[in-house]
Amino acid sequence: QPALTQPASVSGSPGQSITISCTGTSGDVGNYDTVSWYQQHPGKAPQLLISEGSMRPSGVNVRFSGSKSGSTASLTISGLQVEDEADYFCCSYAGGRTWVFGGGTKVTVL
Amino acid sequence: QVQLQQWGTGLLKPSETLSLTCAVVGESFTGYYWNWVRQSPGKGLEWIGEINHTGNTNYSPSLKTRVTMSVDTSTNQVFMKLTSVTDADRAVYYCARRRVAVRFPFDPWGPGTLVTVSS
Repeated sequence: QPALTQPASVSGSPGQSITISCTGTSGDVGNYDTVSWYQQHPGKAPQLLISEGSMRPSGVNVRFSGSKSGSTASLTISGLQVEDEADYFCCSYAGGRTWVFGGGTKVTVL
Repeated sequence: QVQLQQWGTGLLKPSETLSLTCAVVGESFTGYYWNWVRQSPGKGLEWIGEINHTGNTNYSPSLKTRVTMSVDTSTNQVFMKLTSVTDADRAVYYCARRRVAVRFPFDPWGPGTLVTVSS
């Protein structure tokens, strides 16, 4: 059972905005500003999208943004595009130099 | 630009030991933690553990009794062994780099190694 809870799937039409939630506890997401988000296309390794909750590394499209409220982090994809269809995972530091991941969310572009 | 290359035993029988290698190419080996993360078929990611260039390790509580990580600084390689494998250990295993401070993310990731457990 993944430590962080994500919806199994989210869908949207091209151009729309969608938000993926990542719910943890006061022991991980709620206690540390360390949530990172990753995009994974089929058969490929995960790629970093967002770090430290809302920081976008160089090269990542500005349509991807992150936020956090309490023990729930969120990833928003604005102006949804066909190439955004992929799996998305969240991750958080959980104390004691351990990390936890979410179960992943499959994004479908209708 | 750093690249992570992976290889290891792809097919194991139950109770055998999984051995994987991650080679760091194109950048300094020091100053980072090198992590192993696995992904069971159709499921989420699971953090296994990390090691730095001095051999300091941290392991997932759920796997710490079966996992051992080591490094070879002369070849910039990281090794992981997982003992007594079962079907539950069938997964794609990734190595990933992380800077020392806990706020930093996993980036980049290696291509992954598919491990199958079958009698």
